Amino acid sequence: KAGVTQTPRYLIKTRGQQVTLSCSPISGHRSVSWYQQTPGQGLQFLFEYFSETQRNKGNFPGRFSGRQFSNSRSEMNVSTLELGDSALYLCASSIGQGSYTGELFFGEGSRLTVL
Amino acid sequence: QKEVEQDPGPLSVPEGAIVSLNCTYSNSAFQYFMWYRQYSRKGPELLMYTYSSGNKEDGRFTAQVDKSSKYISLFIRDSQPSDSATYLCAMSGNAGGTSYGKLTFGQGTILTVHP
Repeated sequence: KAGVTQTPRYLIKTRGQQVTLSCSPISGHRSVSWYQQTPGQGLQFLFEYFSETQRNKGNFPGRFSGRQFSNSRSEMNVSTLELGDSALYLCASSIGQGSYTGELFFGEGSRLTVL
Repeated sequence: QKEVEQDPGPLSVPEGAIVSLNCTYSNSAFQYFMWYRQYSRKGPELLMYTYSSGNKEDGRFTAQVDKSSKYISLFIRDSQPSDSATYLCAMSGNAGGTSYGKLTFGQGTILTVHP
């Protein structure tokens, strides 16, 4: 069973640019969540999509946005990049409904460096 | 003040030692408690999941939850070098189908088990 796939794995951008990250969840999973991981703040929740609808949103500015497609693949976009956006962006998938196990399946992340 | 506090360590122990990892939280809405393990350059993976107060054991790992004190712990017995990783506590307030992918993580504790 293929795991969660995130692309690209590494990218470098300059301030003011925008970036789009992609996530392919495990087959059959309808929930995709995005997290930002930094040494200072740890893992912080960005948003969750379930069946193409944003179900939850974390405390991040509107520059951070996302979407989910009908095949459950998801993208997140960060516009007008700032130096503080440098981080590992993790995507996690889950069934999204039914019995709760607390289990999210994470990808290996996209490491964004903003210069 | 963060909703979940976790001592980031680092923690270094000899092989065979008992390791104790802890988190405190302030949000009484948290009902589900997880421990994730993250190896270097990998995404986190679920290690333990607990719902109620008390202990849950799985092999060398024991998770403990004390909701009255808002305190959770993870114990690792007979620690091995392969246990060297970052351990993240995570919590969720609502598994009723609307917050599946939304977890609040602690900062993570970096553990090194040396031979």
